[in-house]
Amino acid sequence: GENVGLHLPTLSVQEGDNSIINCAYSNSASDYFIWYKQESGKGPQFIIDIRSNMDKRQGQRVTVLLNKTVKHLSLQIAATQPGDSAVYFCAENTQGAQKLVFGQGTRLTINP
Amino acid sequence: ETGVTQTPRHLVMGMTNKKSLKCEQHLGHNAMYWYKQSAKKPLELMFVYNFKEQTENNSVPSRFSPECPNSSHLFLHLHTLQPEDSALYLCASSQVGGLRSDTQYFGPGTRLTVL
Repeated sequence: GENVGLHLPTLSVQEGDNSIINCAYSNSASDYFIWYKQESGKGPQFIIDIRSNMDKRQGQRVTVLLNKTVKHLSLQIAATQPGDSAVYFCAENTQGAQKLVFGQGTRLTINP
Repeated sequence: ETGVTQTPRHLVMGMTNKKSLKCEQHLGHNAMYWYKQSAKKPLELMFVYNFKEQTENNSVPSRFSPECPNSSHLFLHLHTLQPEDSALYLCASSQVGGLRSDTQYFGPGTRLTVL
């Protein structure tokens, strides 16, 4: 599938455990961040976003944390399920720039 | 479904062929994008269209020619491609304007193989 040739960071977790996927960004002017999930053979799917005036946002089974001091973003997935297996990308954007900058992605594998 | 469709889903073409990829968004957005995703690189932005006008060409070779006849449709015309152009081509759309930076929604992609 996509990104097979890339040396993607990989995270393996047991089904039912919580997963934490990390992302570092470099542009201190970035003010909008998105997490995408890409399953094999599909396009990236929006999961959750956060703006720079927040440091935490929760969705259904997912939480995004933003630490602007160290330019770090994380995605927490609670009670990981087999359907969570995918490559997860973070993306950053600067207001007015319109252009998303994507990280290289992390492959999440769920062990039964 | 994200509201962004792409056809064809798979395409095999020779280096001398001419083909086109099609994208349609049903979200009422005013911006559309082409990305390339290959096995050797992260997601690469190729073109950006706002209100049918091209606002960014990310140093893409001229053998890739985009066309945006309206805010809902985007094409990528392919001509004299090289084997290294084989990749997943993704279309995305978003709503831009005001002070907000809005999420881009992706289609399923066209898997292109150049022989």
